[in-house]
Amino acid sequence: GQNIDQPTEMTATEGAIVQINCTYQTSGFNGLFWYQQHAGEAPTFLSYNVLDGLEEKGRFSSFLSRSKGYSYLLLKELQMKDSASYLCAVLDSNYQLIWGAGTKLIIKP
Amino acid sequence: GAVVSQHPSWVICKSGTSVKIECRSLDFQATTMFWYRQFPKQSLMLMATSNEGSKATYEQGVEKDKFLINHASLTLSTLTVTSAHPEDSSFYICSVSEGTDTGELFFGEGSRLTVL
Repeated sequence: GQNIDQPTEMTATEGAIVQINCTYQTSGFNGLFWYQQHAGEAPTFLSYNVLDGLEEKGRFSSFLSRSKGYSYLLLKELQMKDSASYLCAVLDSNYQLIWGAGTKLIIKP
Repeated sequence: GAVVSQHPSWVICKSGTSVKIECRSLDFQATTMFWYRQFPKQSLMLMATSNEGSKATYEQGVEKDKFLINHASLTLSTLTVTSAHPEDSSFYICSVSEGTDTGELFFGEGSRLTVL
């Protein structure tokens, strides 16, 4: 079966750095997405990786290793507004999006 | 990216009634829209793919007679929850893909349904 694993919850301190990991086992791979979702709101797009390596976009970076079925989202200079759930999703060989359950990130002052 | 609007944002209804949720693509002609459901503390679950001018494609386990989808134009898809029951209470979200290489999805604001 297809599976995406990410931690349920993480806690970090304002101003610090946090890394949210995602591992996947899917039938084929056509890219991996990270979305941010604040409570009660729809997800918003953060990043897309299809090739191995690190993609940097401001305070957020996303890394992919296809051989390991692994990705991480790195958030730097954490702000209170970064408190949200972070969803990892993989596009499989049929171009279906397989969603992880999300990681709830709690930022403390 | 595409701008997607959903209405209503919140709806409370009595058990047994039907509720219609609208999803509009404001600046993009979407031949395909996706409907998701999300229960508290759970991931998004794809319910169906809405195809303009043809029948929707439903995911396994989703009752097509209960969740009616109509995609009559390139900018509007509707989801009707018929004879709603408390277990249908959930967060319903629609999305659009612009068909770019990344396949990025643009989401509506979501509609929270509470069935009493």
